[in-house]
Amino acid sequence: GAGVSQSPSNKVTEKGKDVELRCDPISGHTALYWYRQSLGQGLEFLIYFQGNSAPDKSGLPSDRFSAERTGGSVSTLTIQRTQQEDSAVYLCASSLSRAGREAFFGQGTRLTVV
Amino acid sequence: AQTVTQSQPEMSVQEAETVTLSCTYDTSESDYYLFWYKQPPSRQMILVIRQEAYKQQNATENRFSVNFQKAAKSFSLKISDSQLGDAAMYFCAYRRHQGGSEKLVFGKGTKLTVNP
Repeated sequence: GAGVSQSPSNKVTEKGKDVELRCDPISGHTALYWYRQSLGQGLEFLIYFQGNSAPDKSGLPSDRFSAERTGGSVSTLTIQRTQQEDSAVYLCASSLSRAGREAFFGQGTRLTVV
Repeated sequence: AQTVTQSQPEMSVQEAETVTLSCTYDTSESDYYLFWYKQPPSRQMILVIRQEAYKQQNATENRFSVNFQKAAKSFSLKISDSQLGDAAMYFCAYRRHQGGSEKLVFGKGTKLTVNP
């Protein structure tokens, strides 16, 4: 596709369940980011992948959160044993490797934990 | 660690007028990039303008321009001839140039309302 694709668009889950959020970056983009945006708030950095380098996981809020990127392309963010405070919009972005290049965002996954 | 501060949670402007959104940042790096992103209600983040720290000339994109003051670590966005479609959340962001993690760090955003 032409842009960053995220699925699902919306996800409602019960507290304690595991969820997986998917991100398909723009083809050829080596950098991939995950952010969390709580209602009316800014973007909280979660994790950053760059090519084959070790990811920067410094933003993951707890060990219930993990992410992987297979084959340098598709990424999955997994939240285990979801809590109500995990409810937010999860945004994925990708860019070319150079720092000055624009990061293109997907439209996000709205996660609601009930 | 780099931080980005947007001190105006909300701003409003009359249609066709000019408005300036503030952003300051903290870094020990000398070479980096700064960005302004727009997020309308659709949630889609859209790049408005970017500035390279080593360039003294302020970036301009049509009605959007920046006032980049490197020594003061200030990066404000000026929107001229405001239009109803400019209403959105605006986020300032920082990214280091090279070395280590080049993650984008965002401010908390400014909600811009454009009044007809």
